[in-house]
Amino acid sequence: SQKIEQNSEALNIQEGKTATLTCNYTNYSPAYLQWYRQDPGRGPVFLLLIRENEKEKRKERLKVTFDTTLKQSLFHITASQPADSATYLCALALTGGGNKLTFGTGTQLKVEL
Amino acid sequence: GAGVSQTPSNKVTEKGKYVELRCDPISGHTALYWYRQSLGQGPEFLIYFQGTGAADDSGLPNDRFFAVRPEGSVSTLKIQRTERGDSAVYLCASSLMGQHPNEQFFGPGTRLTVL
Repeated sequence: SQKIEQNSEALNIQEGKTATLTCNYTNYSPAYLQWYRQDPGRGPVFLLLIRENEKEKRKERLKVTFDTTLKQSLFHITASQPADSATYLCALALTGGGNKLTFGTGTQLKVEL
Repeated sequence: GAGVSQTPSNKVTEKGKYVELRCDPISGHTALYWYRQSLGQGPEFLIYFQGTGAADDSGLPNDRFFAVRPEGSVSTLKIQRTERGDSAVYLCASSLMGQHPNEQFFGPGTRLTVL
């Protein structure tokens, strides 16, 4: 069966450290993968998109990697801040699937002072 | 407003009733999506419009759910004979186009509670 797995347990890290979140998928052939941030009571907010033929993307303190052999994406936040505390969702879009997204369950990140 | 808006923000209804949820996408966005999010889960795709037509409705759970977008802008998600299991946050998103990798802009959602 098709699955998208993200760390179900919350990730607690200290301010200034690098947070690394994992997204693993099985039985999908995604055309691209997106990462979103979601705060309580709000809709998801787009952060980064990476295509199947790209290995890495960066945006300010954010970095995403995409390994289609391992079927895994890693999402890094460097120099983390308490304001980065939120739930982070990975989402796959399949080839020929339009822009329809299939989301993981999300990982809650808490950055502590 | 510049973002996607959804009304109402909260809807409480009784089992068996009919509800309508409204989405106003960002002006000029041709693609519109409906998702449903249960507590502790990621959004689950329901239906996607490209213009006025439903390009993919494979996520609608059953025939009690229906969505329209008659003029290619505002969309309404309609749920008939609501059940307690329909309780969730219903999210709407829009993007510039549907067939290219574009970021989706989400609204704040409508929290539906079926008693």
